Amino acid sequence: EDKVVQSPLSLVVHEGDTVTLNCSYEVTNFRSLLWYKQEKKAPTFLFMLTSSGIEKKSGRLSSILDKKELFSILNITATQTGDSAIYLCALGVNSGGSNYKLTFGKGTLLTVNP
Amino acid sequence: GAVVSQHPSRVICKSGTSVKIECRSLDFQATTMFWYRQFPKQSLMLMATSNEGSKATYEQGVEKDKFLINHASLTLSTLTVTSAHPEDSSFYICSATPTRGNNSPLHFGNGTRLTVT
Repeated sequence: EDKVVQSPLSLVVHEGDTVTLNCSYEVTNFRSLLWYKQEKKAPTFLFMLTSSGIEKKSGRLSSILDKKELFSILNITATQTGDSAIYLCALGVNSGGSNYKLTFGKGTLLTVNP
Repeated sequence: GAVVSQHPSRVICKSGTSVKIECRSLDFQATTMFWYRQFPKQSLMLMATSNEGSKATYEQGVEKDKFLINHASLTLSTLTVTSAHPEDSSFYICSATPTRGNNSPLHFGNGTRLTVT
């Protein structure tokens, strides 16, 4: 059974701090690892990673994948209160035939205090 | 960017009634749509995958007769919760991708909060 484990489950920091969110996995038929940010409603896409060692960056957010050790990290530097959200890690896997599906971790609830 | 619209955003119904939730891709053709359920403080749990023009593939433990999925066109999928009970109360989210079977980020609708009284 595919597993996606995120840690920590929750985190409280002050504005300006840097945070690192972790995602480890055990899956068969790995195709991609994705990070999403979920505020009150739908998750919004952040990054998709398919290759080891290549950092993806968007503003203060960055992410990297290690396919040998089966984990990914999401870094947020100089955090702001608007970064408060649940961060979801998802694994894209083959699900039989030509299908592809995402399996989500439980998420990390990040709270950034002013 | 790709936009997925989900309707209604919130619905309250009585036990025993059926509820239909619509998911539309607004600016792309969605060959594959996914339906997820999310309980409070828990992650998104995939319920089923639907490919346009074929029957949905349900995840283990999801009753196909209870959660009817129709994906009759490339821009619309519907989830009908039949004979709803209070334990079906949850947050239902659809997502879509323009490609079938390929790596691609999913684009999510804003979700439907279902409350069954």
